[in-house]
Amino acid sequence: GAGVSQSPSNKVTEKGKDVELRCDPISGHTALYWYRQSLGQGLEFLIYFQGNSAPDKSGLPSDRFSAERTGGSVSTLTIQRTQQEDSAVYLCASSLLGQPQHFGDGTRLSIL
Amino acid sequence: AQRVTQPEKLLSVFKGAPVELKCNYSYSGSPELFWYVQYSRQRLQLLLRHISRESIKGFTADLNKGETSFHLKKPFAQEEDSAMYYCALSGTGNTPLVFGKGTRLSVIA
Repeated sequence: GAGVSQSPSNKVTEKGKDVELRCDPISGHTALYWYRQSLGQGLEFLIYFQGNSAPDKSGLPSDRFSAERTGGSVSTLTIQRTQQEDSAVYLCASSLLGQPQHFGDGTRLSIL
Repeated sequence: AQRVTQPEKLLSVFKGAPVELKCNYSYSGSPELFWYVQYSRQRLQLLLRHISRESIKGFTADLNKGETSFHLKKPFAQEEDSAMYYCALSGTGNTPLVFGKGTRLSVIA
C-alpha cells in the first residue's frame, strides 16, 4: 500500500486479556517504530526495529509488552495481561535510513 | 536528557493574524528537529524538518542553537491551519523521535 497500515483500528478488551497489534510498514522501509499516545503523556517511544532486530527497546513500559518483526516487514506489538493504564492509541511509523518517519493511523486500545 | 518542551497546550488566533508555536529542546549533541501536524481525523504527518530549510504551507521554522529553540511561524494564519502541532527531535540516523506534548492551534474566522 501507499502508507503505513495498522490493524485493528480499534480494539476493546477486558482487563487481563492479551492483545496483538499489527503494523505493515511502507514497502522497502528498513526502520520501524512503535509509539504510544495517551492523554496527559503525549507521544512516547516504545521500541525501534532495524530490519528484524530491535536495537532499542528502552521505551517498553513493562515485561508485559513485547514486539517482533518478521521478514523485515510486518511487526506485531503484543501486550499480555492488559491493564487499564494500557489504554492509549498505539502508533507505528516507518522510514528509510536517515529519512523522516511516516506514521500510520494508529490502533485505539481500550481496556475495560 | 533529551526533552522537547512546547509551553502552550492551546493557541487561538484570528484568521490572517501571525502565528508562532514555541518549541524548546534539550539534547547532548546535534539533534535533528521536526514539526509534525495532525489534522482532525487524519494521521500524524511531517510538516517540516530543520535541515531542509523549506517552507511548507507557509510555515517556517528556524533552529536557534544558542536558545535551543525551533519555533514554528506563519505570517498569516488560515482556518485550515487548525490542528495539533508536535515538535520533535531525533539523533542522527534512524533514532526514535522524542516529542513535545503538542500545541493545539485554533484559527478563528
